[in-house]
Amino acid sequence: QLTLTQSPSASASLGASVKLTCTLSGGHINYAIAWHQQQPGKGPRYLMKVNSDGSHTKEGGIPDRFSGSSSGTERYLTISSLQSEDEADYYCQTWDTASVVFGGGTKLTVL
Amino acid sequence: QVQLVESGGGVVQPGRSLRLSCAASGFTFSNYALHWVRQTPDKGLEWVAVSSYEGRSKNYADSMRGRFTVSRDNSKNTVYLQVDSLRAEDTAVYYCARLELERRPYDAFNIWGQGTMVTVSS
Repeated sequence: QLTLTQSPSASASLGASVKLTCTLSGGHINYAIAWHQQQPGKGPRYLMKVNSDGSHTKEGGIPDRFSGSSSGTERYLTISSLQSEDEADYYCQTWDTASVVFGGGTKLTVL
Repeated sequence: QVQLVESGGGVVQPGRSLRLSCAASGFTFSNYALHWVRQTPDKGLEWVAVSSYEGRSKNYADSMRGRFTVSRDNSKNTVYLQVDSLRAEDTAVYYCARLELERRPYDAFNIWGQGTMVTVSS
């Protein structure tokens, strides 16, 4: 069964970097995922797609501070030079030929 | 600009039905599959259903099969979600979302609506 696992929370200081992890279920190592940001009170916003080879394609307008990478079944979102507006929930999303799956989300706190 | 705008939410009694709408603009609607996703505090984001770009194919999350019906009208650039026999656990914000790629049923969502709140309560 295709699933995504995320840590419920993460925190980092203003100006620092943070790496969020999204783990695919075993047997799905070749799947791409998408990262979405949801700021308080708003709908989700697409950030980027991260492929199994570690390449990523960002949505237009997403700052260079946001990047994606991959290792095995793990897909990462790295945010550098953290700003207060980065405090949000971050969700990963994947898909197969018949369904869409979301991770449980990571709440990022900027200290 | 590319935009999705949901409407039709509100407070509904258990057992009643509701039809949500998602109006699209700024892109060639008939080239894209449209999905419905809902969000609750308990379950986070939960995929509901998809309507293929031409409207011939539909699919639902296993837990949504039976009471949920997705449809679209390409002449009106609108996709719909009918929910029947509403239950308290259907209380959620319902979003429509568009894929990044044309003419594919499943891929990354790159456009989201602002959502419409459905509250099921007597």
